[in-house]
Amino acid sequence: SQKIEQNSEALNIQEGKTATLTCNYTNYSPAYLQWYRQDPGRGPVFLLLIRENEKEKRKERLKVTFDTTLKQSLFHITASQPADSATYLCALPLGDMRFGAGTRLTVKP
Amino acid sequence: DTAVSQTPKYLVTQMGNDKSIKCEQNLGHDTMYWYKQDSKKFLKIMFSYNNKELIINETVPNRFSPKSPDKAHLNLHINSLELGDSAVYFCASSQDLGTGGYGYTFGSGTRLTVV
Repeated sequence: SQKIEQNSEALNIQEGKTATLTCNYTNYSPAYLQWYRQDPGRGPVFLLLIRENEKEKRKERLKVTFDTTLKQSLFHITASQPADSATYLCALPLGDMRFGAGTRLTVKP
Repeated sequence: DTAVSQTPKYLVTQMGNDKSIKCEQNLGHDTMYWYKQDSKKFLKIMFSYNNKELIINETVPNRFSPKSPDKAHLNLHINSLELGDSAVYFCASSQDLGTGGYGYTFGSGTRLTVV
């Protein structure tokens, strides 16, 4: 069966550093992959989509890569700020969108 | 103007009761969903509705029933509530089921506590 794994449950980094989050999937070849941000007590918010024929996508301080050979997506936040602290979810289409368990990022001042 | 709104935000009820959660979207999206987020924060699909027709029905208990009076609304009705139903329920909408890759827009969630 298909699996979506976000390897780190939690990631703590210092302000100004680059945060790198990982999303791996198995038994599946998605046409695209999405990343969402979820703050406590709120619903997930869509951030970025990357398609299988795109190696990299950028949006302001965010960068997403998609390696279909490794079956992995990396999500980077450069020059991280305390306001970036949240849970980040990757999602893949399996009819509807299926979500990974998320990585809780904490950026310390 | 809230894009996806769901009510109530908090719901505390006793075992065995029947309750409903309402969801409305003003985005003109064709597809709406219900997700359940458990205590481990894992987000699981429950139902999807496209053009008023149920198109995906996960293996959730038949005590849960989605009801869509029109394209902009998808309500969740739960019968005979059990302790294990306690979770946060999210409504979401999108332009299509997933082929186009459009992002989902989520509501702010309903925290259901069954006592």
